[in-house]
Amino acid sequence: QQPVQSPQAVILREGEDAVINCSSSKALYSVHWYRQKHGEAPVFLMILLKGGEQKGHEKISASFNEKKQQSSLYLTASQLSYSGTYFCGTEIRGGYQKVTFGTGTKLQVIP
Amino acid sequence: SQTIHQWPATLVQPVGSPLSLECTVEGTSNPNLYWYRQAAGRGLQLLFYSVGIGQISSEVPQNLSASRPQDRQFILSSKKLLLSDSGFYLCASGGTNTGELFFGEGSRLTVL
Repeated sequence: QQPVQSPQAVILREGEDAVINCSSSKALYSVHWYRQKHGEAPVFLMILLKGGEQKGHEKISASFNEKKQQSSLYLTASQLSYSGTYFCGTEIRGGYQKVTFGTGTKLQVIP
Repeated sequence: SQTIHQWPATLVQPVGSPLSLECTVEGTSNPNLYWYRQAAGRGLQLLFYSVGIGQISSEVPQNLSASRPQDRQFILSSKKLLLSDSGFYLCASGGTNTGELFFGEGSRLTVL
């Protein structure tokens, strides 16, 4: 079951904040976040495990609400380099790392 | 960390022709391996995954097949391509303590 992401696209000015949401209809074991630049491979940002803590760096962080099967990615003080498509991926159970990805959120940061 | 090599990077094939995409992994042993497809402007669709040599699980019924002849080699094949097979194919490797999936640079397939 593919997770649902919102919004589908967002345009930000440098320095603005953004939130990308990801929700699943099934109970989740983990949520992954990746960023993909055009024509390139997706790059891992972070993983949030059931029962784990909120993860992230100073300006990119994420949360995982296990009861609601929802995760949010927080981008603070956006930079031009943040532009790309953000994918959340979900695992229903651990062990095989079988990750199902959402359709992505296209983020564009402009000067 | 791991390095994923994919080839060819780009190919254009006629409908009905065969396909072979290859993926090799460096920097780890006994990884979980995956083939994903990304249609234009779409998300990443999991096609196959493998937890070991000769062990393949198919996620989506289709005319593609996958094989894992060696621990760090994963091959995606088709006997007869369809127009709908066009897309960006990504090989990924997992099995790390961090849970991260490492992706190759992808193979862009256009079926005409």
